[in-house]
Amino acid sequence: QVQMVQSGAEVKKPGASVKVSCKASGYTFTSYNMHWVRQAPGQGLEWMGIINPSGGSTNYTQKFQGRVTMTRDTSTSTVYMELNGLRSEDTAVYYCATSTVTTLALGYWGQGTLVTVSS
Amino acid sequence: SYELTQPPSVSVSPGQTARITCSGDALPKQYAYWYQQKPGQAPVLVIYKDSERPSGIPERFSGSSSGTTVTLTISGVQAEDEADFYCQSADSSGTYVVFGGGTKLTVL
Repeated sequence: QVQMVQSGAEVKKPGASVKVSCKASGYTFTSYNMHWVRQAPGQGLEWMGIINPSGGSTNYTQKFQGRVTMTRDTSTSTVYMELNGLRSEDTAVYYCATSTVTTLALGYWGQGTLVTVSS
Repeated sequence: SYELTQPPSVSVSPGQTARITCSGDALPKQYAYWYQQKPGQAPVLVIYKDSERPSGIPERFSGSSSGTTVTLTISGVQAEDEADFYCQSADSSGTYVVFGGGTKLTVL
C-alpha cells in the first residue's frame, strides 16, 4: 500500500534551518509528484511547493522562494524539504503529499512533522 | 496572489444536507479538490476534479461546479462527518496550488 513516512518532530531556534524527510513506499517513486503543505497551529492548509521526483524539478510558492529547497533521493525514494531562516511564524505541522502528474489531487499524505521554532 | 474563499463555518443537524462553497476567479479553468480533516489527522481527499469521488469515500459526498464557485455537498450528514473541509485548486496558469481558508462543519 502507498505510504509516506516523515521524520520526527523538530525544535529549532530562530534563524536556524530544518530539513524534513518523507520516505515513500508502495508505488513507483518517480511516477508521482510530491507536494509540501504546512499547517500552523489552529490555522488552515498552506501549499509550499512541489517536486517532480523523476527529474528533480521544483516549483515553490512565491512566499517561500529563496528560503525553501526541495530535493529527492531516488535511491531511497525519499524527498526532503529544507526551510532556512526560521522564525516563530514557521511553527507548524509540515506534510508531504503525492499527486499524479496529470492532476493536483493530493491522494496520499504523510503523517506530518511538527516543527517548533522557539528561542 | 490568488485566493479561494470559503465560509468559516457551516452547521447542520444529523440527516440534513450540508453545502460548503468555494469561490475563486480561476475555478472555471482549473479543477477543484476537496479534503476532510479531523483533529490531529492528515487531510483526506474526498472529491477530485470538481465532482469525482475517490474509492472508499461514501456516496453521500458529492461535488459540483458552476462558474467561479464549486460546492461540496454532504447528503444525510452523520456525526462522524464533523470536521474541517478545505477546497484546493490552482491559479489560472496552473502553476501554483492554493487552498481555501477552510470550513468547519458542525453536526448539531
